[in-house]
Amino acid sequence: QQPVQSPQAVILREGEDAVINCSSSKALYSVHWYRQKHGEAPVFLMILLKGGEQKGHDKISASFNEKKQQSSLYLTASQLSYSGTYFCGTQTGANNLFFGTGTRLTVIP
Amino acid sequence: SAVISQKPSRDICQRGTSLTIQCQVDSQVTMMFWYRQQPGQSLTLIATANQGSEATYESGFVIDKFPISRPNLTFSTLTVSNLSPEDSSIYLCSVEDFWTGAYEQYFGPGTRLTVT
Repeated sequence: QQPVQSPQAVILREGEDAVINCSSSKALYSVHWYRQKHGEAPVFLMILLKGGEQKGHDKISASFNEKKQQSSLYLTASQLSYSGTYFCGTQTGANNLFFGTGTRLTVIP
Repeated sequence: SAVISQKPSRDICQRGTSLTIQCQVDSQVTMMFWYRQQPGQSLTLIATANQGSEATYESGFVIDKFPISRPNLTFSTLTVSNLSPEDSSIYLCSVEDFWTGAYEQYFGPGTRLTVT
């Protein structure tokens, strides 16, 4: 039941926007987004709950389409610090989190 | 959010031996989890560490290979037994914290295990 992310990798220039998608084959209760830099632990970005709205802080936001069992992460005006691997994590109930396949984002000057 | 520490941060072990990883949280948490992340891969949940009872293991992971203890609400250990090179990986503990009206998970820094 691992969610599938797309794209697998993306390269951006500073200031460009990106969208990362997360798709599940199961009905979802929540979607979590994390960023992991090389050699470091994943860092929590945000959580979206079933029936919830789009969320965001700073220039990173996300949406959750529970009917399509999909979530998207939006990064606008990307900065060098956005580089890393992004993972979505999905829950089908109040249970364990299953992580997606990952999207490697590289921001270049 | 909770602050999580893990020991050791890395280790090199010989085939057939065992390694015990400790996870310490600075506040009491209900849920603690153990994950494995192989190089360049996503995170795979090994088990949920239940306080006062046996851990709940995910498919493909068994107690004999990955015994877990959870003696209280701030501490857990994961042992990786009878090590083989395939066990070389990063092992992370995480905790669930009710922070912004939802149950978020936060990760420890990880333990990098290399089996020779």
